Amino acid sequence: DTGVSQDPRHKITKRGQNVTFRCDPISEHNRLYWYRQTLGQGPEFLTYFQNEAQLEKSRLLSDRFSAERPKGSFSTLEIQRTEQGDSAMYLCASTGSGNQPQHFGDGTRLSIL
Amino acid sequence: GESVGLHLPTLSVQEGDNSIINCAYSNSASDYFIWYKQESGKGPQFIIDIRSNMDKRQGQRVTVLLNKTVKHLSLQIAATQPGDSAVYFCADPGAGSYQLTFGKGTKLSVIP
Repeated sequence: DTGVSQDPRHKITKRGQNVTFRCDPISEHNRLYWYRQTLGQGPEFLTYFQNEAQLEKSRLLSDRFSAERPKGSFSTLEIQRTEQGDSAMYLCASTGSGNQPQHFGDGTRLSIL
Repeated sequence: GESVGLHLPTLSVQEGDNSIINCAYSNSASDYFIWYKQESGKGPQFIIDIRSNMDKRQGQRVTVLLNKTVKHLSLQIAATQPGDSAVYFCADPGAGSYQLTFGKGTKLSVIP
């Protein structure tokens, strides 16, 4: 499978714990995006990388959230001190250069107990 | 991008009929639009895109129409099948941005 891969698919954790998600984009794609999606809503943009550089961050990305893409390939999204409101589907997408459609992974569903 | 929204939250069609899903956008500078299909528990799946220099684009069983005058686009699905049941989103990266703005989506239910 050469699509966008996300791990884990599901994560259940207690409030206050830290969680980390991983995204492996399509191999030749240099742009990587993180989105968050809550039930009944469309995905909301969180942040964007071009190669290893984080170029855009949404106001939704509070100080508890951090994303990295150290070698310009896979990316991680960490949430520290999780809160109930962090429960959502976290989606990763990637694309190549130019105005191309973003291709999404199947997301990580986070549930906060 | 600015708001991208959908006219109808739900749509039920008979199998074999054609489906039309509508979307309005507000940013007149938007020049690229994408339709996604999202099945339960999965990520959005790219269906078709259209650039602002086109009025119509066709794919396999799908057609997207763009009316820049009224800032409206539609997705037409021919001979709708049960496998087409999903939530459909239009999305717009906005002018000069890479972040997609999605609407709430339209849930398409196909009646066998």
